[in-house]
Amino acid sequence: EDQVTQSPEALRLQEGESSSLNCSYTVSGLRGLFWYRQDPGKGPEFLFTLYSAGEEKEKERLKATLTKKESFLHITAPKPEDSATYLCAVQSTTGKLIFGQGTTLQVKP
Amino acid sequence: DAGVIQSPRHEVTEMGQEVTLRCKPISGHNSLFWYRQTMMRGLELLIYFNNNVPIDDSGMPEDRFSAKMPNASFSTLKIQPSEPRDSAVYFCASRFEGTEAFFGQGTRLTVV
Repeated sequence: EDQVTQSPEALRLQEGESSSLNCSYTVSGLRGLFWYRQDPGKGPEFLFTLYSAGEEKEKERLKATLTKKESFLHITAPKPEDSATYLCAVQSTTGKLIFGQGTTLQVKP
Repeated sequence: DAGVIQSPRHEVTEMGQEVTLRCKPISGHNSLFWYRQTMMRGLELLIYFNNNVPIDDSGMPEDRFSAKMPNASFSTLKIQPSEPRDSAVYFCASRFEGTEAFFGQGTRLTVV
């Protein structure tokens, strides 16, 4: 069964304190791993897509990496506006898009 | 494009009533997903369509839930009869082929 597990569930950082979020997955034929950001009261907003092990993507203070079993979202020198829930999703060969439970990040000034 | 449009944004209904949630996907997208989000269970995939055809409805909780996609620009999720445990935020998302999915703003459903 396709499964996505994210850790930690919650993370509190001081502004400028870098850290990483983890997404572990088991899927029948990975056809893409997606990272999303969700703010309270809104729908998830797309950040990155990774397709193969070793691939990396960057956007401002965020960098996503992928191995055969997990993905990391690295946050460098975060700011309070980076506070949100970060969701990881995997797409299998059937086209299903399965999400993890998310990591809620709080960055304090 | 205005993005994925869901209606209504909020719905409060009494137990036993029928509820219909609506979604207009982004023009040109050929896959559509319905998700349910709760604090306990996170974002659960209920059903997804490809080219208007239901591909996987294994996430639909029970027969009280049904979804249709009569054409490429409209989909509905119906709950009949509704129960308090159906209270959640329901999201619709669309995408083209295997690219990233775009989400609507969601419908917050409260069943009292």
